[in-house]
Amino acid sequence: QVQLQESGPGLVKPSQTLSLTCTVSGGSISSGGYYWSWIRQHPGKGLEWIGYIYYSGSTYYNPSLKSRVTISVDTSKNQFSLKLSSVTAADTAVYYCARKNQGIAAAGTWNWFDPWGQGTLVTVSS
Amino acid sequence: QSVLTQPPSVSAAPGQKVTISCSGSSSNIGNNYVSWYQQLPGTAPKLLIYDNNKRPSGIPDRFSGSKSGTSATLGITGLQTGDEADYYCGTWDSSLSAGDVFGTGTKVTVL
Repeated sequence: QVQLQESGPGLVKPSQTLSLTCTVSGGSISSGGYYWSWIRQHPGKGLEWIGYIYYSGSTYYNPSLKSRVTISVDTSKNQFSLKLSSVTAADTAVYYCARKNQGIAAAGTWNWFDPWGQGTLVTVSS
Repeated sequence: QSVLTQPPSVSAAPGQKVTISCSGSSSNIGNNYVSWYQQLPGTAPKLLIYDNNKRPSGIPDRFSGSKSGTSATLGITGLQTGDEADYYCGTWDSSLSAGDVFGTGTKVTVL
């Protein structure tokens, strides 16, 4: 089955760029049909969607983070990545990657996230 | 800030039933499908329910989902100690700031 694994620095200095990579195994990003997503969870808080990318490179970002977020895909490595610029302490969170299933039916948009990576804690501190 | 509202906590004894509500609006729950996630302590969220009421393979039928108007409900019957976790609803929001939205989360405690 498909598995996702986040990797990247656990500590980032304020004003710098947070960079994470998600490696997908057990399935190919290039096969299409799914959107590859980043979601974060501030300590003790709820889930916040960051954005997602399709294998073709099409992206969609959370409007509240859009000015600082870049998501890219490397199909040759079966990976997708997150860059969040100008970070502050408010960006300290556990970052998850997840596969997103989404489509449109008569009764509305259907979407869900499955599976998820185990998550990686990123702390923003000097 | 979450646009979907859930009760902070619910509790019940083993074997009992709990329900978790998820309240939204016409731009999200009212016109889109709802999913539910279980987050056990220290772990990543796991898909429990999709398309309002469907269970992925491997999810026991003790878990059920429903939707009515701008609200959705997750039910857990035959409560077990292993069900102690945080539960989140999620859906698509079709407003001007369209995107994925999650609920505020509900902590289930087995007494």
